[in-house]
Amino acid sequence: GAGVSQSPSNKVTEKGKDVELRCDPISGHTALYWYRQRLGQGLEFLIYFQGNSAPDKSGLPSDRFSAERTGESVSTLTIQRTQQEDSAVYLCASSSRTGGLHQETQYFGPGTRLLVL
Amino acid sequence: QKEVEQDPGPLSVPEGAIVSLNCTYSNSAFQYFMWYRQYSRKGPELLMYTYSSGNKEDGRFTAQVDKSSKYISLFIRDSQPSDSATYLCAMNTGFQKLVFGTGTRLLVSP
Repeated sequence: GAGVSQSPSNKVTEKGKDVELRCDPISGHTALYWYRQRLGQGLEFLIYFQGNSAPDKSGLPSDRFSAERTGESVSTLTIQRTQQEDSAVYLCASSSRTGGLHQETQYFGPGTRLLVL
Repeated sequence: QKEVEQDPGPLSVPEGAIVSLNCTYSNSAFQYFMWYRQYSRKGPELLMYTYSSGNKEDGRFTAQVDKSSKYISLFIRDSQPSDSATYLCAMNTGFQKLVFGTGTRLLVSP
């Protein structure tokens, strides 16, 4: 299976601690996206990578959130000093191109369920 | 006001019914419209994708886009219990990020 994988599947942490969430995109996909899904709500865009650069970070909710991507592959989303409102499912998606003027399908991973106590 | 509005449901129907799911949106620049299906504790999977206005059919699923009304629909014919899931509409201008509705939870009873 060559789908998008994410780890950990579940993460429980205490308020104020830092967490790192990992995404492994489909091999060869140059575009990578992070979304957040709060309970009973739709997906909220967080950040988009094209290769290793992030041309759109507009969805990051605060400076406690950061993300990086290395080797045009794995990406890590880091949340510092977690708060209870950060509790959500964090979803990663990848696609084969930027999108440009032509929509490319985004394939989603299973998500990381984060609970901040 | 949200860019994309979607009734969260739940929508309960008997097996074999025709299901109609809808979204409205406010951004006239949206050109690409998608429907994703999400099973419990899974990531969304793409069901249907439509560019601009018109209809698209794939098996039991039909997607409709009416850009003049800023209204999109997904129809499911001969619904099955396995169709029970949350259906998310999503759209964008063609550039990167998707804007999602809240999702409609569908329950198909045998």
